[in-house]
Amino acid sequence: GAVVSQHPSRVICKSGTSVKIECRSLDFQATTMFWYRQFPKQSLMLMATSNEGSKATYEQGVEKDKFLINHASLTLSTLTVTSAHPEDSSFYICSARDDSGDSYNEQFFGPGTRLTVL
Amino acid sequence: AQSVSQHNHHVILSEAASLELGCNYSYGGTVNLFWYVQYPGQHLQLLLKYFSGDPLVKGIKGFEAEFIKSKFSFNLRKPSVQWSDTAEYFCAVGGTSYGKLTFGQGTILTVHP
Repeated sequence: GAVVSQHPSRVICKSGTSVKIECRSLDFQATTMFWYRQFPKQSLMLMATSNEGSKATYEQGVEKDKFLINHASLTLSTLTVTSAHPEDSSFYICSARDDSGDSYNEQFFGPGTRLTVL
Repeated sequence: AQSVSQHNHHVILSEAASLELGCNYSYGGTVNLFWYVQYPGQHLQLLLKYFSGDPLVKGIKGFEAEFIKSKFSFNLRKPSVQWSDTAEYFCAVGGTSYGKLTFGQGTILTVHP
């Protein structure tokens, strides 16, 4: 099956620093990737849609200058949390949609990245 | 705006019991429906999906779900659960555009041996 990886799996940083999280589709191409945030004991909240070769589309209430998304290639999207603060601590999950057509509208999820901001 | 509601936060069953997890959605348009499972320490995996056709959908590991359009529901069922089904289950709805999904709150299923 389609595999999506995320790196790093865990990161601890100081307040005010920036953190970059990578999301890769390992065995398929993904024009579209998605970034979610999951709070403890809550569901996934879609933050933004990452489109290869164009600007990301952010959901209402998500600060695009704080959560920078770059979809550099058909297999890589990055999320950079800029000037991180403790309230940004969360579990960030990406997903990728297979462009092959057989799995249209099906997303494959990465294992997530646990961000802790001190 | 689309929304998804899962009725139960935590369900506890004994092995061999039957399972039904409720999911209701609100969406203005043609809808695609999904159930995902997250086993402890693992990433989300697709259990089953409904795009069109037969409203009774069969997925992996003996799970099935029924789409009832009139009730805006997509309940997940399994006739006989196993201890290995202990996990968190998420219902999700998406449109037919570019795949944006809205998730329900999740239901934690604990199965006792």
